[in-house]
Amino acid sequence: DQQVKQNSPSLSVQEGRISILNCDYTNSMFDYFLWYKKYPAEGPTFLISISSIKDKNEDGRFTVFLNKSAKHLSLHIVPSQPGDSAVYFCAASDGTSGTYKYIFGTGTRLKVLA
Amino acid sequence: SQTIHQWPATLVQPVGSPLSLECTVEGTSNPNLYWYRQAAGRGLQLLFYSVGIGQISSEVPQNLSASRPQDRQFILSSKKLLLSDSGFYLCAWGKRFADTQYFGPGTRLTVL
Repeated sequence: DQQVKQNSPSLSVQEGRISILNCDYTNSMFDYFLWYKKYPAEGPTFLISISSIKDKNEDGRFTVFLNKSAKHLSLHIVPSQPGDSAVYFCAASDGTSGTYKYIFGTGTRLKVLA
Repeated sequence: SQTIHQWPATLVQPVGSPLSLECTVEGTSNPNLYWYRQAAGRGLQLLFYSVGIGQISSEVPQNLSASRPQDRQFILSSKKLLLSDSGFYLCAWGKRFADTQYFGPGTRLTVL
């Protein structure tokens, strides 16, 4: 049973346009969500987070939106740049225990075309 | 600033051989520490986490074990590797009661 799903394995976007990466979850107890970017043979790099008390968080070109009723979050990258080409993972956790055991999605490979 | 180290970067081991992967964190105290594995074409799977020295919680029954002999050192071990242990192993740390985790560079393990 996959509690965090990224249903699009890949996405191609033209440079300068918006990239939208989607993530769905099933556990209503999840209250912290993270997005990571990963290049091949490297560890994931933290991008942005959101807690369930918010529905939007922005950091520069990156914005994460959370729709709790739909159990859906999305990452928007505007404008997209060739250096954004990587695999993006969303992760969700029930933070009540304080240990933040994250469940990760399977990732979406973003390709930004110059 | 905080830094997380993992070694080795790559490892090729025969089936049945032992394994020891090490992770150390600098620049912080009392971190939560985590071991994840990414199998080919899959997401990251949490294997173990630790909230303190000697305190290990296992998330997935398997052929691996973890230990935390020092506050900022986390070790992943196996007595006898299986083919299915191949993958990309990632160590991560997080501040106590904080939501973000930061990953090390990873170890690519190939079991032949």
